[in-house]
Amino acid sequence: ETVLTQSPGTLSLSPGESATLSCRASQSVSGFYLAWYQQKPGQAPRLLIYGASTRASGIPDRFGGSGSGTDFTLTISRLEPEDFAVYYCQHYGVSPPYTFGQGTKLEIK
Amino acid sequence: VQLVESGGGLVQPGGSLRLSCVASGFPFKSYIMNWVRQAPGKGLEWVSYISSGGSPTYYADSVRGRFTISRDNAKNSLYLQMNSLRAEDTAVYYCARRVGYCGGDCDTLDPWGQGTLVTVSS
Repeated sequence: ETVLTQSPGTLSLSPGESATLSCRASQSVSGFYLAWYQQKPGQAPRLLIYGASTRASGIPDRFGGSGSGTDFTLTISRLEPEDFAVYYCQHYGVSPPYTFGQGTKLEIK
Repeated sequence: VQLVESGGGLVQPGGSLRLSCVASGFPFKSYIMNWVRQAPGKGLEWVSYISSGGSPTYYADSVRGRFTISRDNAKNSLYLQMNSLRAEDTAVYYCARRVGYCGGDCDTLDPWGQGTLVTVSS
């Protein structure tokens, strides 16, 4: 099983700043199988990025994904008030098919 | 594209509950479906997977032997039968569609339903 470790646990920033969120895998994984989700309080997770770097439909271009091997990054530029949420990375593997990082909470400073 | 869960509620330890998820806006019978849960204040945990035709199925170690996933493609519905419930099963349960973007290579969960809360307590 591939374990995903996200850092930092909490990130405090102001609107207009840029955020860099990290997701580290316990073993090298294909970027095809790395995705990012956003979850706001009381809501279901929403797909942001798939294939490590491709934005899902309707996702603003201030969201960007990058990385390969064991290190992946979600970057959010020009933070908007609605971007403050919890972000999860996710890997598709063999068993179990889906594993998630523990999440990074992006909060308003 | 929409997924709507129902069936959650309060149940005593050792009890049973059956969750449902009704899909609309896409050809349900063509998609792999999953259940994912989130304990209060915690992260996401994948629970179960079912292929488009109903087999094969897979389970997280934490629920194997107690939970059963099934589907009725004629009714565009996904189910999760939960038996021998424990306090640690308390969570919001989401159904989520598996989508293979990147021409099928990028395996993701999209969309997710709004979730249904299961509380196991005496």
